[in-house]
Amino acid sequence: EDQVTQSPEALRLQEGESSSLNCSYTVSGLRGLFWYRQDPGKGPEFLFTLYSAGEEKEKERLKATLTKKESFLHITAPKPEDSATYLCAVHNTNAGKSTFGDGTTLTVKP
Amino acid sequence: DGGITQSPKYLFRKEGQNVTLSCEQNLNHDAMYWYRQDPGQGLRLIYYSQIVNDFQKGDIAEGYSVSREKKESFPLTVTSAQKNPTAFYLCASSPTGSRYNSPLHFGNGTRLTVT
Repeated sequence: EDQVTQSPEALRLQEGESSSLNCSYTVSGLRGLFWYRQDPGKGPEFLFTLYSAGEEKEKERLKATLTKKESFLHITAPKPEDSATYLCAVHNTNAGKSTFGDGTTLTVKP
Repeated sequence: DGGITQSPKYLFRKEGQNVTLSCEQNLNHDAMYWYRQDPGQGLRLIYYSQIVNDFQKGDIAEGYSVSREKKESFPLTVTSAQKNPTAFYLCASSPTGSRYNSPLHFGNGTRLTVT
């Protein structure tokens, strides 16, 4: 059975204090690891797709990396507007569906 | 603008009543999905459909039913058999079907409260 575990559950940072979110996974037939951002009361918004170990993607203050067992979402010099829940998901080609982690809720204080 | 529309945003029902949640997309996507999200938890897959007139059960399909009569529409019915129906329901779509590695596009959800 596919499993996705995100840590920590919650992360509080001061503005400008860089950190990383972790997503560890086990899946057969991985065809993509996805990061999404979810604001309260809204649907998740797509951030990145990573396909193979060693791959990296960047967008503004966010950088996602992938190994064979985990992915990291690095946040550099965060701002209060980066506060949100970040969800990780893996797509299993064999099953034809995605499995989500429980998310990390990030709070950035000014 | 293209996107996914879920309605209503908030829905209140009495226990024992069936309720249908609407999901419409104008992205011309083949695949559509229903997820449930409980507080502090990730998304759990209820049902998904890769093509019109066909759908598959997800991980938590008991107490739910769906139909896919049109490409644009994928309504979800929460039946009285669902033990804990109060939750945030999210509809999503993807462009090339669930066997491919396309990201999901989400609507803004329906928050269902059953008392």
